[in-house]
Amino acid sequence: DIQMTQSPSTLSASVGDRVTITCRASQSISSWLAWYQQKPGKAPNLLIYKASSLENGVPSRFSGSGSGTEFTLTISSLQPDDFATYYCQQYNSLWTFGQGTKVEVK
Amino acid sequence: EVQLVESGGGLVQPGGSLRLSCAASGFTFSSYEMTWVRQAPGKGLEWVSYISGGGETTYYADSVKGRFTISRDNAKNSLYLQMNSLRAEDTAVYYCARDRANTFDIWGQGTMVTVSS
Repeated sequence: DIQMTQSPSTLSASVGDRVTITCRASQSISSWLAWYQQKPGKAPNLLIYKASSLENGVPSRFSGSGSGTEFTLTISSLQPDDFATYYCQQYNSLWTFGQGTKVEVK
Repeated sequence: EVQLVESGGGLVQPGGSLRLSCAASGFTFSSYEMTWVRQAPGKGLEWVSYISGGGETTYYADSVKGRFTISRDNAKNSLYLQMNSLRAEDTAVYYCARDRANTFDIWGQGTMVTVSS
């Protein structure tokens, strides 16, 4: 089974900050990685697929990069609506989510 | 509007059974693979099960294999998850999601399953 490890688990930031979340796979997954945003009490929302492709309707301040085993999600300028938990997900072999990164107010 | 609506959650005793349903609307249901994802209280997301558009192919997480069965009725635009031999660790919000090229682009609002005596 492929394991996904995100870091950090919690990130404290302010509006306007550049934020980066890292996701590592236990083996190569090529570019078969997605990122989701989840707010409390709500279903997750797809942000990025195939490591770096922005889902329709997602603001351009979100970007993804990486391939193989190392991936990053970057928010170029954090907005009030972006305080949430973010999950990476591999889909190279079935599906596995990372444990999540909570972006909280500093 | 593209929409998924889950139902069927509730309180069940350990060892009991429950059947979840997911009603799809706003898209050609039979053209899409579908999946179930769960989230235990205060925890992260866990993929549970997948089914192909025609229902011929299914996959399960090891944690539910042999206990859960995924199925679909394309004539009714509905997805199901039959859950047997339920355990306390199955307590979670269960989401159905549309699978678009192996990413989950549309999610339902979730239905809560509580396994407790």
